[in-house]
Amino acid sequence: AQRVTQPEKLLSVFKGAPVELKCNYSYSGSPELFWYVQYSRQRLQLLLRHISRESIKGFTADLNKGETSFHLKKPFAQEEDSAMYYCALLDEGAQKLVFGQGTRLTINP
Amino acid sequence: GAVVSQHPSWVICKSGTSVKIECRSLDFQATTMFWYRQFPKQSLMLMATSNEGSKATYEQGVEKDKFLINHASLTLSTLTVTSAHPEDSSFYICSASWRGGVTGELFFGEGSRLTVL
Repeated sequence: AQRVTQPEKLLSVFKGAPVELKCNYSYSGSPELFWYVQYSRQRLQLLLRHISRESIKGFTADLNKGETSFHLKKPFAQEEDSAMYYCALLDEGAQKLVFGQGTRLTINP
Repeated sequence: GAVVSQHPSWVICKSGTSVKIECRSLDFQATTMFWYRQFPKQSLMLMATSNEGSKATYEQGVEKDKFLINHASLTLSTLTVTSAHPEDSSFYICSASWRGGVTGELFFGEGSRLTVL
């Protein structure tokens, strides 16, 4: 079954420190993965997708098929990165996104 | 960018009444809309997927007679919580995708908080 696991509900790091939000998936096909972010009092929005291989707001995420992971990383965290982050997997057959449980990231000054 | 708007943002109703929540795509035609439920500090739980002009596909465990979804046009989907009870109190969020959009990119509404007394 398709599943996305974010093992950390809460993650707290200091400003300027590296941050890594973990995401593991289970999917029988070729995975398409995404990271969505929800800032305080704002709606959920797409942060990045693995196919684009892009860096958004300093964040990157590499798909590791061997480890079935898609961890989100940023070398130097900023206070404005504090938000709720959701990893998501596209279930192509059902044409829907499967979301992980989310990780609340807090960047301390 | 594409904007999805939900109305109302919050609603309080008495137990036993029905409540309708609207989800509109303001500047694009949403071929597919999704309805989620979010409990405090928890993830999004997909309730149903609706394609314009066809019946919604409900996720396992979601009562389709209780949560009526209508997607009558390419810009509007509605969720009606029928005979609401306190346990239906939650944050309901819709999202939409469009045919010409990036695969997997969903545009989310701001959410609607339902409180059933």
